[in-house]
Amino acid sequence: GNSVTQMEGPVTLSEEAFLTINCTYTATGYPSLFWYVQYPGEGLQLLLKATKADDKGSNKGFEATYRKETTSFHLEKGSVQVSDSAVYFCALRVNNAGNMLTFGGGTRLMVKP
Amino acid sequence: SAVISQKPSRDICQRGTSLTIQCQVDSQVTMMFWYRQQPGQSLTLIATANQGSEATYESGFVIDKFPISRPNLTFSTLTVSNMSPEDSSIYLCSVRTGSSYEQYFGPGTRLTVT
Repeated sequence: GNSVTQMEGPVTLSEEAFLTINCTYTATGYPSLFWYVQYPGEGLQLLLKATKADDKGSNKGFEATYRKETTSFHLEKGSVQVSDSAVYFCALRVNNAGNMLTFGGGTRLMVKP
Repeated sequence: SAVISQKPSRDICQRGTSLTIQCQVDSQVTMMFWYRQQPGQSLTLIATANQGSEATYESGFVIDKFPISRPNLTFSTLTVSNMSPEDSSIYLCSVRTGSSYEQYFGPGTRLTVT
């Protein structure tokens, strides 16, 4: 079946540090990949996406590259801010599985000033 | 994109009662979904809300416990019936528009059952 595995949190960083949140997946077909962010007390927001191999999604200084050879979609940011503190979810959708999004377990990021 | 609102934003309910959550979208959408996010957990799909027909439930979820309505292309409700403390979760409405790969989420309804 389809599954997404994320590094467990919490991840605690100082402001301006480099961020990597690992995400790997297994899929029965050709997936589209997503990162969602959930700020405290809010719903999920789409952060970025990639729909084919070697695509790079980017938004708000975050980036992730769709690596088919390693089945990975790691999230990176060069310099985190306190306002980036949130829970980050990696997700995939395989078109032959209908419209179902499969989520990873989420990674909590805490950025200290 | 789509702007999604949910009512109520939060509620505290007694065991054995039911709560209906409303989801309103600012535009017509093809697909609407309901998810549950238990404390400290990831999201689990409850069902796909189908306009004009019965919802499609995922394994582990049944219509008697989570009846869903979708009378039109912009509105849906989820009822959590005969609640127990195990139903304490955030319930999220989600939509997908047309042929887009993107899926949008509402702000969620935080439910606490005592």
